Amino acid sequence: GENVEQHPSTLSVQEGDSAVIKCTYSDSASNYFPWYKQELGKGPQLIIDIRSNVGEKKDQRIAVTLNKTAKHFSLHITETQPEDSAVYFCAASTNGDDKIIFGKGTRLHILP
Amino acid sequence: ETGVTQTPRHLVMGMTNKKSLKCEQHLGHNAMYWYKQSAKKPLELMFVYSLEERVENNSVPSRFSPECPNSSHLFLHLHTLQPEDSALYLCASSQFTGQGVGGYTFGSGTRLTVV
Repeated sequence: GENVEQHPSTLSVQEGDSAVIKCTYSDSASNYFPWYKQELGKGPQLIIDIRSNVGEKKDQRIAVTLNKTAKHFSLHITETQPEDSAVYFCAASTNGDDKIIFGKGTRLHILP
Repeated sequence: ETGVTQTPRHLVMGMTNKKSLKCEQHLGHNAMYWYKQSAKKPLELMFVYSLEERVENNSVPSRFSPECPNSSHLFLHLHTLQPEDSALYLCASSQFTGQGVGGYTFGSGTRLTVV
């Protein structure tokens, strides 16, 4: 089955700098890659997703890139702000499957 | 409010108690999920219901019993739990088609403490 690895487990960046979180997946048939943000006391919320027919997607300060050959995908947050502090999860899903496989999460701290 | 509502938000129960967690979605989704979130395994899939039929049970102990009476409601019945079952229990819903699943919408979770 699919296995999703996520790095780093913890990341601290200065406010205003960029943050990058990287994930790898094992199943070459995976074709859907969502990213979730979980704030304290809340469930994870979908912030951006990408499908395998696209190499990059951007939404304001966040962007996701996908390298199908290397089976890597990454989340990029630019001009980080205090409200970006949260746990971020990457995930992957395979065509025809009814579930998503999650990485173990990255705790992002934005330093003042 | 995400469209997926979980109750209660917090629950403390003894090891001999029986309680139930409730999840309700108003998004018209046809798949619902229970996840356990703890420090050791951040998002651990427990059960998947697709079109009200349980399609996956991830080797979950029988002290957890799911119920999906219709596509909008999902329950997790708990009995004779252990302290290590203390965790955040998250419900999610999604729209599943023949091409696969879309993004999940999660509820805010039930924080369960077993004493």
